[in-house]
Amino acid sequence: GAGVSQSPSNKVTEKGKDVELRCDPISGHTALYWYRQSLGQGLEFLIYFQGNSAPDKSGLPSDRFSAERTGGSVSTLTIQRTQQEDSAVYLCASRGGTSGAWGNEQFFGPGTRLTVL
Amino acid sequence: GESVGLHLPTLSVQEGDNSIINCAYSNSASDYFIWYKQESGKGPQFIIDIRSNMDKRQGQRVTVLLNKTVKHLSLQIAATQPGDSAVYFCAERKSSGDKLTFGTGTRLAVRP
Repeated sequence: GAGVSQSPSNKVTEKGKDVELRCDPISGHTALYWYRQSLGQGLEFLIYFQGNSAPDKSGLPSDRFSAERTGGSVSTLTIQRTQQEDSAVYLCASRGGTSGAWGNEQFFGPGTRLTVL
Repeated sequence: GESVGLHLPTLSVQEGDNSIINCAYSNSASDYFIWYKQESGKGPQFIIDIRSNMDKRQGQRVTVLLNKTVKHLSLQIAATQPGDSAVYFCAERKSSGDKLTFGTGTRLAVRP
């Protein structure tokens, strides 16, 4: 596809269940980011993948959160034993090119709205 | 990616007027700044960027101003249109880095 896609668009789960959120970045983009957006808040960085380098996991809020990126393309964000405070919109973004280029911005997907009951 | 809801500062402008959205950034080491627009139900969309060696940059109907002395960024939208209604976020990072830090956002409401 032409843009970043995410699935599912909405996910409702029960407290304590595990969930997996998927991101398909723009083809050829080497950098992939996950963010969380809670109601009334800005975007909170979670994790960043760049090529074959070790991911930057510094934003993951707890060890219940993990992410993988297989083959340098699709990424999955997994939340184990979900809690109500995990309810938020989870956004994925990808970026290509070099860091210093003009307009080398991150392209965002539409997000997955997660609701933990 | 529905934009955030009830607690955002809101700027209400008349259609056709100019809008100015402000942002105070936090990291004096940041040297690259971006404005994003987020419409309801969508992810943020890039609008315009600026580097710290500039104080002004113009795009189509938009201008970004940067005041490094007071760590202030603003987005000016000329002749605001109903389609400009959205939440606007500023973001900052070091040009050598890759992680953006986002502000909390401002909701722009355009009155017909």
